[in-house]
Amino acid sequence: DVQLVESGGGLVKPGGSLRLSCAASGFTFSSHSMNWVRQAPGKGLEWVSSISSSSTDIYYADSVKGRFTISRDNAKSSLFLQMNSLRAEDTAVYYCARVAAATVDYWGQGTLVTVSS
Amino acid sequence: QSALTQPASVSGSPGQSITISCTGTSSDVGRFNLVSWYQQHPGKAPKLMIYEGSKRPSGVSNRFSGSKSGNTASLTISGLQAEDEADYYCCSYAGYSTWVFGGGTKLTVL
Repeated sequence: DVQLVESGGGLVKPGGSLRLSCAASGFTFSSHSMNWVRQAPGKGLEWVSSISSSSTDIYYADSVKGRFTISRDNAKSSLFLQMNSLRAEDTAVYYCARVAAATVDYWGQGTLVTVSS
Repeated sequence: QSALTQPASVSGSPGQSITISCTGTSSDVGRFNLVSWYQQHPGKAPKLMIYEGSKRPSGVSNRFSGSKSGNTASLTISGLQAEDEADYYCCSYAGYSTWVFGGGTKLTVL
């Protein structure tokens, strides 16, 4: 079974940094693009970033461009999101999600990031 | 990119059918046959219910169906059951490995 397990969330002050991780199992991680998607409390889903299987293609939502960096380690079946210059509006549950043929098909359970002083 | 437009809420009685619309633009919903729908229960991760507009993943009830016309996609749930009560989100591929989601629709089973 496909499993995606996020970690690294927590409370951070505005302007601070946090690094999220996602451990993947149950599928050939190196064959799939991966996404980060977030959901602010009580709000809808927002695509954040994507990375191709070999890390050659990387894209970001305008809201995080220049502050967040997505990366992956195929040898360890892991996905990462480095978040810098965090703002209150970045407070959300961050989901790691697999992409298959341009469809976001499997999601992790999410990790909560709270940006507050 | 602007979020896709969904109604904030819909409701129906057990056994009835409901349809949730999802309106985008010619750059996303209208351009690609890559609309997906997700069901999300409170505190849970989204679950894929429909992909590529009208296809169901293995294990998803055939009470769920999807369609698209122009820039608008739709999700229909027939034979409503209490367990269908959840938030539903549409999502469209928008090119260059980017995606756009709808604002979500809260389904209440009366």
